[in-house]
Order: sequence, then structure tokens, then C-alpha cells
Amino acid sequence: SQKIEQNSEALNIQEGKTATLTCNYTNYSPAYLQWYRQDPGRGPVFLLLIRENEKEKRKERLKVTFDTTLKQSLFHITASQPTDSATYLCALEQTGGFKTIFGAGTRLFVKA
Amino acid sequence: NAGVTQTPKFRVLKTGQSMTLLCAQDMNHEYMYWYRQDPGMGLRLIHYSVGEGTTAKGEVPDGYNVSRLKKQNFLLGLESAAPSQTSVYFCASSYGRQGLSEAFFGQGTRLTVV
Repeated sequence: SQKIEQNSEALNIQEGKTATLTCNYTNYSPAYLQWYRQDPGRGPVFLLLIRENEKEKRKERLKVTFDTTLKQSLFHITASQPTDSATYLCALEQTGGFKTIFGAGTRLFVKA
Repeated sequence: NAGVTQTPKFRVLKTGQSMTLLCAQDMNHEYMYWYRQDPGMGLRLIHYSVGEGTTAKGEVPDGYNVSRLKKQNFLLGLESAAPSQTSVYFCASSYGRQGLSEAFFGQGTRLTVV
């Protein structure tokens, strides 16, 4: 069956460290993969999109990697800050498809 | 600069009642979507629209209907609410296909069916 898996356990890190979140997928061949941020009681906010032919994408303190062999994307926040505390969702679109599928998200807590 | 606005923000329905959730976007986006989000699960696509006058079924369409009479509005209807429809509903819009475009989400509607 098709699955997108993100670590359901919350990630707790110290301010200034690098946070690394994982998104694994099974039985998909995504052309694109996206990461969103969601704060409690709010809608998701788009962060980054990476294409299947891109290995890495950066935006300010954010970095996303996409390994189609491992069927995995890693999302990194460098020099993390307490304001980075949120739930991070990965989402992918099936190659040749239209519908975007979301993972359940990983909660990140950054301690001052 | 409103973006995507959902109405209402909260609602409690009795089983069997009907209601309509309204989504309005002011970004002239062609694509609009309705999702539901339940604890421990990812956002699940209910219905979507690729332009004014069009609608299509998503992953979990049963029990819901939609209409896109105007480009800026996307309505989600529950004809006979059931407790299983208790959820947080999000509307989103995008300029192009969501998989390769930034999608903008509303603030959500928390619906409880008792």
C-alpha cells in the first residue's frame, strides 16, 4: 500500500542546534515533494518544494534533500530558534498524477 | 491582503443537520481544494477544483458536495452530518497544480458533529 511516514514522536532540540526531520514514502514515485509548517490552530504554510531531479534545495536556514533511491526526504533547520517550534508536514504528488498527499507531520520543539 | 478566508471558524452540528462551509480567495487562483485534518493523520483531500465551474473528487469525498460557481469561491456542503465528519476543515488555493505550486491555506473550520 502507499504510505507517507513522518516520525510521530516530537523532536526536542536545543536552540542553536540543527533540527533534522524525516519523510519516508512507500509505493509512490513523486515528481515533487513539498514541506509545510503548521502552527497550532492555523493552516499549513508552504516552505519549500523540491523536484525529483534535484538533490538539495536551500532557503535561508532551511535545507531539503530528496533521495529517490532511499525514498526519503530530509528537512533541516540550522541554527534553530524557539520560534521554529511547530509541526512540519511533508507532501508529495504522484508522478503523472494531480492529487497531493500529506504526511501526518512531526512536531518540533526548540528550547531556549 | 486577505489570502484565503474560511467561514465559519467553529461550528457544532447535530447528527443529520446540513451546513455549508465557505472558502474565498483573493489571489485569482485557478485551483482550489478542501481538506480535512484528523488527529494523527495527514491532511486528506475531499474535493478539488481546477477552475470556475469545475469540481472533482479527492481521496475522501463521500458525504460531501462542492460547488465553484465563481472563481474566487469554493463551497463545501454537508447534506446530513455524521459524527465521523467531526474534523478540522481546511481550504486551500494555488495558482498552478498544487504538487508543483505553493498552496495557500485558510485558517481552518473546526466542526463538531454531536
